[in-house]
Order: sequence, then structure tokens, then C-alpha cells
Amino acid sequence: DADVTQTPRNRITKTGKRIMLECSQTKGHDRMYWYRQDPGLGLRLIYYSFDVKDINKGEISDGYSVSRQAQAKFSLSLESAIPNQTALYFCATSESPVYGYTFGSGTRLTVV
Amino acid sequence: QKEVEQNSGPLSVPEGAIASLNCTYSDRVSQSFFWYRQYSGKSPELIMSIYSNGDKEDGRFTAQLNKASQYVSLLIRDSQPSDSATYLCAVNRGSGGSYIPTFGRGTSLIVHP
Repeated sequence: DADVTQTPRNRITKTGKRIMLECSQTKGHDRMYWYRQDPGLGLRLIYYSFDVKDINKGEISDGYSVSRQAQAKFSLSLESAIPNQTALYFCATSESPVYGYTFGSGTRLTVV
Repeated sequence: QKEVEQNSGPLSVPEGAIASLNCTYSDRVSQSFFWYRQYSGKSPELIMSIYSNGDKEDGRFTAQLNKASQYVSLLIRDSQPSDSATYLCAVNRGSGGSYIPTFGRGTSLIVHP
């Protein structure tokens, strides 16, 4: 099994729908992150969490919310999906900033 | 100005050549620096990390850090077609353990036979 698992792998949803992307990890890391990737724009940080009680906004948090249900689980929600949220979404974890980040396989989200 | 800058490329090199990828960053207090490789449609994977000025070698890869000039580079020796991918530079900004990772937009590398 993968260390960082994202579900679903692909999702097509309609404008205005609420959707949740899930991330679970078996690495025992406290730090978890959600990024979106768009062609030409690289990886942009949406939210991050340093432990279960610590949630922080990243550079592009508008339109998104998160929930850290446990050390191993970090979910990203789009409250009312819009087409410009079509992107590849990655969850990442880290034991410590000096060790880098482990990424999940990504969720390709299309909002129509 | 984006905090981490990379040329988007593509950088095209022949097989067996040295590929040189560069990255500059704006936050002088940045502490940790990483290079990730990302194949099309796949997730980024960590290939090098560097924290101190100078060179760090790992197999065919060498990372170079110059904090005074605020740049990080990655050299790939004996480039192979399998090295064709997008290379992302990442920088940890912040202090006191609250480091926030920021990624560059990536440089596309093409190694042609």
C-alpha cells in the first residue's frame, strides 16, 4: 500500500456541488499539506496542518476548507465547486521540514 | 515576484550530456532546499535535499547551494532519456520549526537520444 493515499483518483463534478477529497497516510507524520497544480503555475499551497489541532491557510485557500480528522487523515472540501477549481490536487506529508515531503498520487478534479 | 523562480524550459540536452537546472529564491531566511522530479501525470518525488552552502552529490545528481546569491542548482550528469521530466525546486520558508514549503513552477527537461 502507498504511504500517502488520495481518493478519489479522478472526479468529475458539476458547478455548485460540494466535493471532498480525502488523504490518508501511514507514515506517522504530523505535518500534512494540500496543494493544487495547474499547468504553468506549479504547485500552490491551499492548506496545511502541523498537527490535529493546528490548521493554517495557504496562499490560495478561498473556496476551500479542510478537516484534520486524525493524525493520519486530512480532507479537503470544495464547498461549491466552480470550473476554475479544475486542477490536479496533491496531498503531502512531512516528518520534519528538513526531510522533504512525500506526495500522494493526486486527484484529478474536473468541474463542469 | 514569485518567491521561487525557475525557467520553465524546455531544456533540451543530448543523451550523455550534463543537464543544469537553476532556481532562485527571494526569502533570505530560507533554510532547506529540495529538488523534486515529476513525470507527466505523476506525483513529485524527492531526489535531492541541501541545507548548507556548497555541493552535495548523490549518484549522477549534484545539488549546489549559494545562500549569498540565493540560488540553488541541480546538475544531472550522463543524462538519460528516462531523466526527461519536470524538475521542481522547493524552498522551506519561515523559522522556529514553522517552515512552509514553496515550490517553483518547474523546469521541463528533455533528454534526446
